[in-house]
Amino acid sequence: AQSVTQLDSQVPVFEEAPVELRCNYSSSVSVYLFWYVQYPNQGLQLLLKYLSGSTLVKGINGFEAEFNKSQTSFHLRKPSVHISDTAEYFCAVSDRGGSYIPTFGRGTSLIVHP
Amino acid sequence: DAMVIQNPRYQVTQFGKPVTLSCSQTLNHNVMYWYQQKSSQAPKLLFHYYDKDFNNEADTPDNFQSRRPNTSFCFLDIRSPGLGDAAMYLCATTPSERQTQYFGPGTRLLVL
Repeated sequence: AQSVTQLDSQVPVFEEAPVELRCNYSSSVSVYLFWYVQYPNQGLQLLLKYLSGSTLVKGINGFEAEFNKSQTSFHLRKPSVHISDTAEYFCAVSDRGGSYIPTFGRGTSLIVHP
Repeated sequence: DAMVIQNPRYQVTQFGKPVTLSCSQTLNHNVMYWYQQKSSQAPKLLFHYYDKDFNNEADTPDNFQSRRPNTSFCFLDIRSPGLGDAAMYLCATTPSERQTQYFGPGTRLLVL
């Protein structure tokens, strides 16, 4: 079984500032990793995913994340945020070759102030 | 565009009155999921179908049932909604390659 920890429940930041949303996972097997974004009253939308290959993954809306196997982390970053990035962000993990059901973190609320 | 559709977007029901939420997909994915999401929490998996094979999570209340009459449609039935069942209900799909989930916009259920 795997688990996901999103250390920050809320991250306030000013517009055009950089941001990092932290995600750590635990699993006894190799994993797939995902970041999803949820805007108010909407479903979840995939931002990016790590399946294999390069550990630096680029996603939509200028976001990127780096898979660090030794630290079991998959932190999400953006160099310059916009007001429109205000949303809930969920990190998720699923086992390779095992159950395809992802485990979600509790989410981080990104609040971008003008 | 291929997508996951949920109807209605908002549903109001009375305490104890059965309600059905629907989900349809044009992606032709094998797997369909139902999640319950309460405010400021992660989505909680209720059950999923792999084709017609139904998989119930151990802690899903008996009050919740699901039907998948064909590949495109999946329904969530709440037999006797309680106040604690008020939440956002999310439908998602996955192709058999078991990677990305595709979510619908959700149905927000209010129980009066």
